[in-house]
Amino acid sequence: QQQVKQSPQSLIVQKGGISIINCAYENTAFDYFPWYQQFPGKGPALLIAIRPDVSEKKEGRFTISFNKSAKQFSLHIMDSQPGDSATYFCAADSTGNQFYFGTGTSLTVIP
Amino acid sequence: DTGVSQNPRHKITKRGQNVTFRCDPISEHNRLYWYRQTLGQGPEFLTYFQNEAQLEKSRLLSDRFSAERPKGSFSTLEIQRTEQGDSAMYLCASSLWDSAEAFFGQGTRLTVV
Repeated sequence: QQQVKQSPQSLIVQKGGISIINCAYENTAFDYFPWYQQFPGKGPALLIAIRPDVSEKKEGRFTISFNKSAKQFSLHIMDSQPGDSATYFCAADSTGNQFYFGTGTSLTVIP
Repeated sequence: DTGVSQNPRHKITKRGQNVTFRCDPISEHNRLYWYRQTLGQGPEFLTYFQNEAQLEKSRLLSDRFSAERPKGSFSTLEIQRTEQGDSAMYLCASSLWDSAEAFFGQGTRLTVV
C-alpha cells in the first residue's frame, strides 16, 4: 500500500514556466513533509520541507503548499530552468525513523 | 567533503555471492538510515540506527540482509547469497537525533548477474 501518492509521473515544462507536482497522504500522524530532487546516478538531495502547522513555505524558486484538511501537499517550481530537469520525490514521516516516499515525478524543462 | 559517503559506488556480483556496502554518515549525525531504490521507484526504507542501536527494520530486510553500526559511526550493509532481485541502488542517509532533515549519500548501485 502506497503511503504517499504522487502525480504526475512525468512533466514537461517550458523554460520560465511553473512546474507543479502533487502528493497526497492518508496517515494523519505524518508531521514532516520533505521534497527531494534526484539526478540520474545520484542520491536524493533535500530541496525543501514543511510541517503541517504552516500552509506554505517558500525557498527561492521553490514553494511547498500544504492543505492539511485535504491531506495534500504540492511543490511549485517557479521560473523553471533546464537545470531543474530531474526526478522529484515527495515524502512523509511521523516518527523521524523512516520516510515514506512517493513514486517520483520526472521533470523535463525545455529550453 | 562533509556529506554522507558510500562505498563502493558500483558493485557487480554473481548470484549467490555475498556483498558488503559501507556508509560513512555526516560526522555529528546520530541517526543513520538505509534505503533501497529500484529503477523508477522512490526509496524504500530498510533499517534505522540511533547511534549503534538498530531500532527499526523493515520487513523488506530479509534474513539475508544484515546491517551494523559499530561504535555508532560508519555502518555496513551485508547481503548474503545475493539474488537477481537484490539489484538496486542502496542508499544511506543520516540526520541529527533531534532533526527530521535527512541527507542522503550517492548510493551504491548493485547489479546481480
